[in-house]
Amino acid sequence: GENVEQHPSTLSVQEGDSAVIKCTYSDSASNYFPWYKQELGKRPQLIIDIRSNVGEKKDQRIAVTLNKTAKHFSLHITETQPEDSAVYFCAALAGGGNKLTFGTGTQLKVEL
Amino acid sequence: EADIYQTPRYLVIGTGKKITLECSQTMGHDKMYWYQQDPGMELHLIHYSYGVNSTEKGDLSSESTVSRIRTEHFPLTLESARPSHTSQYLCASSALRSEGYTFGSGTRLTVV
Repeated sequence: GENVEQHPSTLSVQEGDSAVIKCTYSDSASNYFPWYKQELGKRPQLIIDIRSNVGEKKDQRIAVTLNKTAKHFSLHITETQPEDSAVYFCAALAGGGNKLTFGTGTQLKVEL
Repeated sequence: EADIYQTPRYLVIGTGKKITLECSQTMGHDKMYWYQQDPGMELHLIHYSYGVNSTEKGDLSSESTVSRIRTEHFPLTLESARPSHTSQYLCASSALRSEGYTFGSGTRLTVV
């Protein structure tokens, strides 16, 4: 089955700096890669996703890149703000699969 | 408003009690999932369903059981609660031909 590894497990940045979270996946047939943000005490929410036919997708300060050859994808947050502090999960959906495989999460802390 | 609802939000219960965690969605989604998560930690899939009368065990072994008699309802039952069951339980759903998950707000269970 699919295996997703996520790094780092914790990340601390200064407000205004950029943050990058990286994930690798094992199943070359995976074709959908979402990112979820979970604030303290709240539910995970989808913030951005990318499909295997696209190399990069951007939504305001958030971007995701996908390298199918290397089987890794990354979340980029620019101009970080305190409200970006949360746990971020990457996930992958194997081709023909019906359930996502999640990474282990990254605790992002944006310090003033 | 179309969403996924979990009740109760918090539950404190004694060892040996039978409990049912409720999950209902009004989005017409076919696929539903139960995850176990300690605060800020990994999401562990414990059960999933692709439709009425379809249930499967997830990646993490669990003593709980589920049923899917109606499309919108996916309750999780613990026949005899133990302190080791203390955790947060998140329900999620997705459409048959869509990959994105919508999560409920979770039930935080404490077994004393």
